[in-house]
Amino acid sequence: TQLLEQSPQFLSIQEGENLTVYCNSSSVFSSLQWYRQEPGEGPVLLVTVVTGGEVKKLKRLTFQFGDARKDSSLHITAAQPGDTGLYLCAGVWSGGSNYKLTFGKGTLLTVNP
Amino acid sequence: GAVVSQHPSWVICKSGTSVKIECRSLDFQATTMFWYRQFPKQSLMLMATSNEGSKATYEQGVEKDKFLINHASLTLSTLTVTSAHPEDSSFYICSARDFLLTYTQYFGPGTRLTVL
Repeated sequence: TQLLEQSPQFLSIQEGENLTVYCNSSSVFSSLQWYRQEPGEGPVLLVTVVTGGEVKKLKRLTFQFGDARKDSSLHITAAQPGDTGLYLCAGVWSGGSNYKLTFGKGTLLTVNP
Repeated sequence: GAVVSQHPSWVICKSGTSVKIECRSLDFQATTMFWYRQFPKQSLMLMATSNEGSKATYEQGVEKDKFLINHASLTLSTLTVTSAHPEDSSFYICSARDFLLTYTQYFGPGTRLTVL
């Protein structure tokens, strides 16, 4: 079973600060996705990265895929209270069957006003 | 964008009863649907993968006789929790994969199950 390590697990910061969340594996991903989930709702897809070294930006969020496609990061600039939520990375591994997504443990982000 | 619905959004039942949760893809065909379970402040745990017209594939440690999955059409999958017990209380989320888009799964809003 492939493992997907996500860190940190909890993060509480003040409005305006920057933060980075990491997602790592010892195996190569076919693709990796980042989701954001609010309490009582399903996860919402933020981005999919497929190519090694890829960088994608979504307003104040920057997603990076490692050159070897084994790791990814999510960087948020000038965090706002509206960014509060559970951030999940999820990967599909090369050679994985049925395109199953495996989720990291998640990062619970709280941005205090 | 693609929409996946779940019904009911929340359900409370007595211990020993069975509960059925529906997952529907509203504007696309889903050859594969996935069922996840999530405990508070934790990540999603894949329970099973269902393919239309065939038996579901369950993850290790998930009791197939307790969590019955039926994927009778390209737009509907159901999860039945049989003889529910308080430890089955959880947030159940389904996702559907658009057979035209390899890596894209669309998630439902989840169903909160509370077993008394």
